[in-house]
Amino acid sequence: AQKITQTQPGMFVQEKEAVTLDCTYDTSDPSYGLFWYKQPSSGEMIFLIYQGSYDQQNATEGRYSLNFQKARKSANLVISASQLGDSAMYFCAMRPYNTNAGKSTFGDGTTLTVKP
Amino acid sequence: ETGVTQTPRHLVMGMTNKKSLKCEQHLGHNAMYWYKQSAKKPLELMFVYSLEERVENNSVPSRFSPECPNSSHLFLHLHTLQPEDSALYLCASSQSVGALGQGTGNTIYFGEGSWLTVV
Repeated sequence: AQKITQTQPGMFVQEKEAVTLDCTYDTSDPSYGLFWYKQPSSGEMIFLIYQGSYDQQNATEGRYSLNFQKARKSANLVISASQLGDSAMYFCAMRPYNTNAGKSTFGDGTTLTVKP
Repeated sequence: ETGVTQTPRHLVMGMTNKKSLKCEQHLGHNAMYWYKQSAKKPLELMFVYSLEERVENNSVPSRFSPECPNSSHLFLHLHTLQPEDSALYLCASSQSVGALGQGTGNTIYFGEGSWLTVV
């Protein structure tokens, strides 16, 4: 069984600063994928970034980067130059390579508030 | 603009009503999903469709009835719901139901969600 732990229920960051949202995972599968999603208060779950367990480099997507430390089983999301629109709930998710697409395991989420 | 659209965004219904949630994906994907997101609970996978065929039904009560007329459209028909069914219902799609692939790993893309309140 897979487990995702997001230890920060809530985080605050000043506008234009960088913030790191923590995610640790537990799996016995050697191959897996890690995902981050953003969910504003409107409800939409927006895909942000993906990291494969065998990818050599950490994933980056615009202001989002994933700090992947395989030995520590952590996949922290780094948001650079925070904007007010970044205020939302952020979910970390994972799925082993041999698991069907719908069966990702999601964490409980971290609520990020960006202060002006 | 999101590639997965859901209507209505908000729905209030009585326990004896019949209503439907609609989802449409514009991504050319072959798999579609319904999820339920309740307060203080993890995301729950309800139904999985692959090329219009239901491939998974995760012990969902029969008062929820999915329909997938084609690979771009997915409905969730609601009948005699209970107040505890009040939640955010998220539709999603992916390239296929299969395991991870190259690139973005057969990522699940979600819609805007439909907020359902049962009174």
